[in-house]
Amino acid sequence: KAGVTQTPRYLIKTRGQQVTLSCSPISGHRSVSWYQQTPGQGLQFLFEYFSETQRNKGNFPGRFSGRQFSNSRSEMNVSTLELGDSALYLCASSLDRVYDNEQFFGPGTRLTVL
Amino acid sequence: AQTVTQSQPEMSVQEAETVTLSCTYDTSESDYYLFWYKQPPSRQMILVIRQEAYKQQNATENRFSVNFQKAAKSFSLKISDSQLGDAAMYFCAYIRQGGSEKLVFGKGTKLTVNP
Repeated sequence: KAGVTQTPRYLIKTRGQQVTLSCSPISGHRSVSWYQQTPGQGLQFLFEYFSETQRNKGNFPGRFSGRQFSNSRSEMNVSTLELGDSALYLCASSLDRVYDNEQFFGPGTRLTVL
Repeated sequence: AQTVTQSQPEMSVQEAETVTLSCTYDTSESDYYLFWYKQPPSRQMILVIRQEAYKQQNATENRFSVNFQKAAKSFSLKISDSQLGDAAMYFCAYIRQGGSEKLVFGKGTKLTVNP
């Protein structure tokens, strides 16, 4: 079975631009979670989608949004980029409830905001 | 709010030796799960071990075992017979059962394995 894939792997943007990151979960997985990883803040939960619905959301501003498609693929969008948005964005998928099912992580998208 | 603390930013161990990584957490919940994740330099995070809070028996996966002390809110990871491939960032994580799908991570411990 193919693992979680994320595209693109690397991205460079300038302040004020917007960006869309993509995540393809493992086949059959319906839950997709997004995390932001930075040296200062560590790993922080952004949001989780299940069957095209946002089931949970972390404490990030409205500039961060996401969606999930009927095939469980997910995208996250960051609008009006700020320097502090530079981070590794990780996507993870699981069959259903994260506490009950192993969560598999993708390799991440490294976003650099100049 | 739940928090997870890893007090050791860096640890090192000799190959074939044993090392223990510390993790404490703060929660008022009684039903929850704890995890250790490993993030090698390639950055793909993988699950090492999982512990259900209602289970008194400590989880074990081959060379990896945990010491789960619920009353003390402590969840340490022991790696036996350390191998070069064990070198990575290790993250302790918590999630409440039946609630938010939000995994709360500690800041991580960087483990170096010396040959």
